[in-house]
Amino acid sequence: EPEVTQTPSHQVTQMGQEVILRCVPISNHLYFYWYRQILGQKVEFLVSFYNNEISEKSEIFDDQFSVERPDGSNFTLKIRSTKLEDSAMYFCASHRGHNTEAFFGQGTRLTVV
Amino acid sequence: GIQVEQSPPDLILQEGANSTLRCNFSDSVNNLQWFHQNPWGQLINLFYIPSGTKQNGRLSATTVATERYSLLYISSSQTTDSGVYFCAVGNNRLAFGKGNQVVVIP
Repeated sequence: EPEVTQTPSHQVTQMGQEVILRCVPISNHLYFYWYRQILGQKVEFLVSFYNNEISEKSEIFDDQFSVERPDGSNFTLKIRSTKLEDSAMYFCASHRGHNTEAFFGQGTRLTVV
Repeated sequence: GIQVEQSPPDLILQEGANSTLRCNFSDSVNNLQWFHQNPWGQLINLFYIPSGTKQNGRLSATTVATERYSLLYISSSQTTDSGVYFCAVGNNRLAFGKGNQVVVIP
């Protein structure tokens, strides 16, 4: 069964460093998302991406964050200068079409020290 | 944005018991999904259920879209059912509830 894959599963980085979280969505899906979950809290929407551009972003998604689909398969989230409060589980999700089921990756646990 | 409320926030069950988790949401949506978050933090998709009723083994779910709520039923609970259950709703981007923390004791 097709699945969304995320790498790495766990990343530790020093405060101020740049990190890139990678996702490979399901191949025929057109809508891509990033969510994050701070430990012990609920999952929050960060950004959606469709037709090679951001379609919606939350207030959390400030200039520190960027997304890219550099080729036909990968979807990346870059955090430019990490802060301690960026420590969280980051989930990638994809949808086949508008208003369809979301498929989530297994998550990347980011720890900023 | 869409508000999602899950109840009860915490539930302790004896193994073998049945339970019902509830999700209320504030606006009409085209997507509703239930997830189980495992101890490693992964979100396991249980049901995609914008309306109607579905069953998968000991789990079943019902969504009444016109009344903006969904129910997740766990029957004959097992210790492996422990964890956090999330309801997520939306019209593309998903809004998550705070979850139902379920502990099943042997």
